[in-house]
Amino acid sequence: DAKTTQPTSMDCAEGRAANLPCNHSTISGNEYVYWYRQIHSQGPQYIIHGLKNNETNEMASLIITEDRKSSTLILPHATLRDTAVYYCIVRPGGSGGGADGLTFGKGTHLIIQP
Amino acid sequence: GAVVSQHPSWVICKSGTSVKIECRSLDFQATTMFWYRQFPKQSLMLMATSNEGSKATYEQGVEKDKFLINHASLTLSTLTVTSAHPEDSSFYICSARRGTPPVKQYFGPGTRLTVT
Repeated sequence: DAKTTQPTSMDCAEGRAANLPCNHSTISGNEYVYWYRQIHSQGPQYIIHGLKNNETNEMASLIITEDRKSSTLILPHATLRDTAVYYCIVRPGGSGGGADGLTFGKGTHLIIQP
Repeated sequence: GAVVSQHPSWVICKSGTSVKIECRSLDFQATTMFWYRQFPKQSLMLMATSNEGSKATYEQGVEKDKFLINHASLTLSTLTVTSAHPEDSSFYICSARRGTPPVKQYFGPGTRLTVT
């Protein structure tokens, strides 16, 4: 799986959009970008994934650059409950990362400030 | 949405005893389940892949005789930590892969193990 780089931590004001960057400059053509988050002392939660087009669901939007070397997860209206560690994972397969066990990096600790 | 449960949610045991953790997929069949371990302030680490009806596949550095995995049905996998020691204290998380489209992994809530 391609290596990803994320900032260690970020702050965002409640109600504002939270933009979480991820660098994956060594991504291969068949690799997707997945985002998961882990709220303290809970299991990870799938957020969104994409290959090259921008994606949006009820939780977030995923913006992937044209060269696919980086992406941004956008939480449009952050709430206090969005405080969590967010993991960007790059791997083959397009069905929610279901094929194999996942390799989690250190992620970004997003703190939503009231 | 698909739900995965774990039992117990937390457990305290004495050094040298064994502890069994259950992972259940409540509303779908999971031919494959995964077990992860997370130490404080660290990320999740994959321990093993559990396939229904066959032996589990362990990641490098994970002792298969210490962490016994059984996946006897399509909805249940168990992880038994044998002869637990304080260094086994950790947060154990399972995930279940749903085989029918969309194929996704769903994570359980985790089990906090403390060995005294």
